[in-house]
Amino acid sequence: QVQLVQSGSELKKPGASAKVSCKASGNTFKSYAINWVRQAPGQGLEWMGWIHTDAGNPAYAQGFTGRFVFSWDTSVSTASLQISDLKAEDTAVYFCATDISTATFGFWGQGTLVTVSS
Amino acid sequence: QSALTQPRSVSGSPGQSVTLSCTGTTSDVGVYKYVSWYQQHSGKAPKLIVYDVAKRPSGVPDRFSGSKSGNTASLTISGLQAEDEADYYCSSFAGTHTLFGGGTKLTVL
Repeated sequence: QVQLVQSGSELKKPGASAKVSCKASGNTFKSYAINWVRQAPGQGLEWMGWIHTDAGNPAYAQGFTGRFVFSWDTSVSTASLQISDLKAEDTAVYFCATDISTATFGFWGQGTLVTVSS
Repeated sequence: QSALTQPRSVSGSPGQSVTLSCTGTTSDVGVYKYVSWYQQHSGKAPKLIVYDVAKRPSGVPDRFSGSKSGNTASLTISGLQAEDEADYYCSSFAGTHTLFGGGTKLTVL
């Protein structure tokens, strides 16, 4: 079992940066992938990509390259999503989730709302 | 990387059964066993209810069952209960990435 606790909501202006953290606890001695999923207001889920806690090499889905950066800090068992040059369309709830099998997200964080507004 | 196709909404009465569909292609649903279903209540994080097409995580009632035929996966919920009212999303591995469906809103009448 893995528990994921995300950072709180953020309100940012266009052009600014946002950082969402996702702290893992529980079965953290086992390596796994931390996935990031976006959900825009009233919309569905969108897989953004993942970073493995062992290899640390992130992989990004189409549409999430360039301004989106995943990282993993082993010392504090925390994954982070950094979004730069924020745009209004980045307004969404961002979830982190770990896999229990290939492309199977068994444990989820509670979600972090990032609002981009002038 | 197109999303998987799900009906926008389905409805059923308590006690009835409903089946939600999820249509992909020969590059995702049709070729991989890694098809999952998630239940999401309003304002909450998604919850895994079916994985590897037809497996259920511990604690998920056997009223929820999954299957697949060709490029289409299905989730059947039998003995509908009021608490089943939620959004349901399918997902599939697609080789280098994961795809989600657009989601189906289940209304329990």
